[in-house]
Amino acid sequence: DAGVIQSPRHEVTEMGQEVTLRCKPISGHDYLFWYRQTMMRGLELLIYFNNNVPIDDSGMPEDRFSAKMPNASFSTLKIQPSEPRDSAVYFCASSFGGLIQPQHFGDGTRLSIL
Amino acid sequence: AQTVTQSQPEMSVQEAETVTLSCTYDTSESDYYLFWYKQPPSRQMILVIRQEAYKQQNATENRFSVNFQKAAKSFSLKISDSQLGDAAMYFCAYRSAADQGAQKLVFGQGTRLTINP
Repeated sequence: DAGVIQSPRHEVTEMGQEVTLRCKPISGHDYLFWYRQTMMRGLELLIYFNNNVPIDDSGMPEDRFSAKMPNASFSTLKIQPSEPRDSAVYFCASSFGGLIQPQHFGDGTRLSIL
Repeated sequence: AQTVTQSQPEMSVQEAETVTLSCTYDTSESDYYLFWYKQPPSRQMILVIRQEAYKQQNATENRFSVNFQKAAKSFSLKISDSQLGDAAMYFCAYRSAADQGAQKLVFGQGTRLTINP
């Protein structure tokens, strides 16, 4: 079975540019999560969706960040404009409802803002 | 808010030996779930083991087992017969069982495990 698929795997861009990260969750999963991983702050939850609806976006750092889930099989995380401090690994994860069900992570996108 | 603490930034062990990674957490809740995730150099986050707080029996998965001490709010991971492929960052994570925020994982800072041949 295919796991969570993220693209691109690496992204290097100049500050001020718009960045779009993409995620395809595991088919049948009804929760989708976006995380950011940095050396300083570790793994942080940015936002999560249930049945395509954003449930908690309290971890989104600022208005420059936005996330959408137009359907059950696709989500995007956008940063506009990007800044060097946004450099991090961004993970997407999905799970099937049920408290003990684990979250399955994608391979992450390593984002470098120059 | 819940917090998860991994006090060992780095650990090393000889191949075939046993190593224990520490994790403590802070919560006022009585029902919750705990997880250990492994992140090898490939960067993928892989679930190693999980524990329901209402279960007294410690979870085991082959060479991996936990020591869950609810009163002490401790959740350590024991890796037996360490193998070179076990080298990775290990993250302890907490998830509430309450309706609100039940899907949020709170991670510790991680422990980097090195296996010496």
